[in-house]
Amino acid sequence: KQEVTQIPAALSVPEGENLVLNCSFTDSAIYNLQWFRQDPGKGLTSLLLIQSSQREQTSGRLNASLDKSSGRSTLYIAASQPGDSATYLCAAYFGNEKLTFGTGTRLTIIP
Amino acid sequence: SQTIHQWPATLVQPVGSPLSLECTVEGTSNPNLYWYRQAAGRGLQLLFYSVGIGQISSEVPQNLSASRPQDRQFILSSKKLLLSDSGFYLCAWSSLGGGHGYTFGSGTRLTVV
Repeated sequence: KQEVTQIPAALSVPEGENLVLNCSFTDSAIYNLQWFRQDPGKGLTSLLLIQSSQREQTSGRLNASLDKSSGRSTLYIAASQPGDSATYLCAAYFGNEKLTFGTGTRLTIIP
Repeated sequence: SQTIHQWPATLVQPVGSPLSLECTVEGTSNPNLYWYRQAAGRGLQLLFYSVGIGQISSEVPQNLSASRPQDRQFILSSKKLLLSDSGFYLCAWSSLGGGHGYTFGSGTRLTVV
């Protein structure tokens, strides 16, 4: 069964710190992996999409990596800000027309 | 550019009443369309997906149904709502094969009372 796991479920860090969110998946035959952000009561905003042929993607203070062999992806946030507080979801596409989601990490940046 | 519209944003319905949530996509053709549900404090659950007009795949047997009457329109329905149908419903689209990622709508908060 193809599964995606995110640990920890919640994370609090002081403002200004760099942080890493983790995502693991059970099937190395992954097509791509997408990181989303969800604010309370809102929809999902796509942050980064990494294709299976790529090792990483960057957008501003965000950097996402993908290691198919180990079944892991990380989302690195540099110089965290209170506005980064949200739930972060990773989702893997295994080529079966469906996206498999992790349960998310709730991030709180402490001013 | 492609956009996805989902409405209504919030809905309060009594138990036993019908439901119709609508989702439309603009700026693309023949998208894959999806309905997800997010219960309070829980992860995203795929309910239905469609790869073409009239083609609906159900992931979880339940009180809901979906239809795709037009290429870029996806509707989630119920004849009689249950309390357990409460949740946050999200529509999404992707290109065939999912290679360009998924784009989500802004969601509908459904409360069944």
